[in-house]
Amino acid sequence: EAQVTQNPRYLITVTGKKLTVTCSQNMNHEYMSWYRQDPGLGLRQIYYSMNVEVTDKGDVPEGYKVSRKEKRNFPLILESPSPNQTSLYFCVSSQGLGNQPQHFGDGTRLSIL
Amino acid sequence: GESVGLHLPTLSVQEGDNSIINCAYSNSASDYFIWYKQESGKGPQFIIDIRSNMDKRQGQRVTVLLNKTVKHLSLQIAATQPGDSAVYFCAATNTGAQKLVFGQGTRLTINP
Repeated sequence: EAQVTQNPRYLITVTGKKLTVTCSQNMNHEYMSWYRQDPGLGLRQIYYSMNVEVTDKGDVPEGYKVSRKEKRNFPLILESPSPNQTSLYFCVSSQGLGNQPQHFGDGTRLSIL
Repeated sequence: GESVGLHLPTLSVQEGDNSIINCAYSNSASDYFIWYKQESGKGPQFIIDIRSNMDKRQGQRVTVLLNKTVKHLSLQIAATQPGDSAVYFCAATNTGAQKLVFGQGTRLTINP
């Protein structure tokens, strides 16, 4: 089954404690991206990757890092989480972007205390 | 910057009626549009897409209409069922862009 898998699904942690949210897709997609979803602000792109070893900032990259060492994985790293990063995060993949639907993971809800 | 907006944050319909959810976009260069459905506790799920060389596209019980003149997009759901209850998002992009621009979402509620 084609899917985008995120882990963990839920996490409560404290300010400053580094965390990583993993994302893996099994569709051999080249494009992957991370979004955060906040009430009243909708879905905003954090980072994206067009292919292995190619990553770029989205609209709200501050406080986040990513890596794309292999095609299937695209982890999101919060080196020093802060409360304003409390949000619902989605990993997305697609074969292309301009004319291909994007597939979403089921989300990771992060609470930073 | 580019924006995508939905006309109504909430919509209530009777079970069995047709639902119409509207969306407007600002970038005239947008040439690919997607509708997503997000159920509680899940990620957005692809429903249907349309490219700018089309005005209408139909799926199973869903139809998307695109009016490029007024930069307007709509999703029609026929014979709405309880399982259609969700938040619906439209998204727009253009060839060469690196992201989708999402609307805020319309919460569709089905009344029995």
